[in-house]
Parts: sequence; C-alpha cells; structure tokens
Amino acid sequence: DIQMTQSPSSVSASVGDRVTITCRASQGISSWLAWYQQKPGKAPKLLIYAASSLQSGVPSRFSGSGSGTDFTLTISSLQPEDFATYYCQQANSFPSWTFGQGTKVEIK
Amino acid sequence: QVQLVQSGAEVKKPGASVKVSCKVSGYTLTELSMHWVRQAPGKGLEWMGGFDPEDGETIYAQKFQGRVTMTEDTSTDTAYMELSSLRSEDTAVYYCATAINPVIGELGAFDIWGQGTMVTVSS
Repeated sequence: DIQMTQSPSSVSASVGDRVTITCRASQGISSWLAWYQQKPGKAPKLLIYAASSLQSGVPSRFSGSGSGTDFTLTISSLQPEDFATYYCQQANSFPSWTFGQGTKVEIK
Repeated sequence: QVQLVQSGAEVKKPGASVKVSCKVSGYTLTELSMHWVRQAPGKGLEWMGGFDPEDGETIYAQKFQGRVTMTEDTSTDTAYMELSSLRSEDTAVYYCATAINPVIGELGAFDIWGQGTMVTVSS
C-alpha cells in the first residue's frame, strides 16, 4: 500500500496566519491527491481534488499544489471556521486508497 | 440536492456482524459509485472499499477482504455495508461516501458523505 505521511501532526496558529500542511506519498501518485477538512463530530468535507483543483464552494484562501510524492495544502489567511483537522488522500492505486494521519489546526 | 442518510448507532458483541445502511436521495444509486470509509475514535480515516465502475464490481481493501460485504438495493436507492466477525478494533464511525461530480469521482475523491454511523463493539 502507498503510505501517506502528513506534517506537522498539529499546528497552532492565529486568525490571519498563513498555514501550510505537507503530505508525502511513499511512491509517486501523479496528481491523484485530495484534501479534506473535518470538524469534530462531522463528516469530512472535500476541499481540493486532483492536487490543485478547488472544490466548488470552497473559499479561495485554500489552495493545493504538488505532484509525484510531495504535496501541500495552504490556507492563505486562517479564519475562525478553519480550525479543524485536515486529511490528504491518495487515489492512485485502486483498490488501495489511503489517507494521511491528519493535521490538526488549533487556535494559538 | 443529493444526500446520503445513514442508519443509527449500533452496539454489537465481539464475533457478531453489523449491517449499516446508506440511503441516497436526490440521485439514484445507479448513478453513483458508493464507497465506505471508517474512523476509529480519535484516529484517522480508513478506506474500506467501493464500487469500481470500470469493472462493474465492488472492490474491498485487502485488510477487510473476507469480512466485509457491500451491497446495493437499487429499488430503494440504499447501499449497505456488512462487517462480520467483529472485534473491539472495529469500533468506529462508518461513513458512506461518493462523488456526484463525475470528474471528481474519476479522480478518486468524494464530494458527498453520509453523516456517519457509530458502531461500538463491546462485550
């Protein structure tokens, strides 16, 4: 299975900060990567697909980049509603899709 | 507006089976490729399996092969996930997930999720 490693596992930030989360695949996955946001007690919400395509309705302060093995999710100016846990997911090797372990964005 | 509405919480004993349902509204199930993802308490997301439209078959993650069965009732637009031989490690929230945007679906992402079903395995 392809392993997805996110870093950091948690980050403390303030409203207005720029936040960057990294996801590294154990082998190349081209651009078969998605990012999700999850708040406590809720289902994940799709933010980014195909590494850099913004899902409809998601604010433009979210952006994704990367290809191959290294990917980033950037929140350009953190808002109060962005405090959540973020997951990357690879979909390159069906039937073995895998998620990263998550990155919790906390209030500083 | 598409919605996935899942069945309620379950408590099961070790060794038992559980069957979780996921009813689709706003779309027909035949238009979607349904997948199942679980999340143990305080842990990350784990893909269990889903429908592969290219092959027309349901594919299971190797970890769950032999223990999980995913089925569909197209007459009621309801998908089911049954997990057998339950153990304490199967305690988790189980989600159904799919993509209504075909481009997103082809790229392996999920833009619609059910609300989740908590399954507790305890003696």
